[in-house]
Amino acid sequence: DTAVSQTPKYLVTQMGNDKSIKCEQNLGHDTMYWYKQDSKKFLKIMFSYNNKELIINETVPNRFSPKSPDKAHLNLHINSLELGDSAVYFCASSQGSKNTEAFFGQGTRLTVV
Amino acid sequence: AQSVTQLDSQVPVFEEAPVELRCNYSSSVSVYLFWYVQYPNQGLQLLLKYLSGSTLVESINGFEAEFNKSQTSFHLRKPSVHISDTAEYFCAVSDRGNQGGKLIFGQGTELSVKP
Repeated sequence: DTAVSQTPKYLVTQMGNDKSIKCEQNLGHDTMYWYKQDSKKFLKIMFSYNNKELIINETVPNRFSPKSPDKAHLNLHINSLELGDSAVYFCASSQGSKNTEAFFGQGTRLTVV
Repeated sequence: AQSVTQLDSQVPVFEEAPVELRCNYSSSVSVYLFWYVQYPNQGLQLLLKYLSGSTLVESINGFEAEFNKSQTSFHLRKPSVHISDTAEYFCAVSDRGNQGGKLIFGQGTELSVKP
């Protein structure tokens, strides 16, 4: 009964490819996020969605396009992958637009070669 | 805007010793405060949080943190650590006033507990 699940867990791909990471939460939350953790383990928010509406886009390149088909899902599509996109991507969710407790997925380790 | 500084990138300690992981934050608005733990190759788990009320908050596995408004700190402490506490610990803040709920994280502190 995973609360926030991401697929795939590992993703190895070549530069220039397009890939997607899927995220689903079964907590009934209305806000979902994507975070990026770099090689130094620094975590930074990329996007926030509330009730399928984009709330935060933290100056992420246009190659990254989140899509929220419903409140329980937030997918991340990445076009024209670059070496610098290699990182661990975490999906998270919380209830309400005031974040009093966020639940994180297990992460997707993306390696671009 | 907010920022979070974790003053130690690595903290090695021996088992059963006390530990303190330091966290300072900067913010022009009121914030919620959090400590998350990340075990190797896993996601982040909420360890404890300060939303309001008592400035001393505790987790179920013996950690505690104290919110100090005057010093803008939220240090994490445990009186006696176990090998299983070895992990990366992240301090984070979020704006109480509704900014999309984003968490601002510190750089992380790697706690390494040795036998």
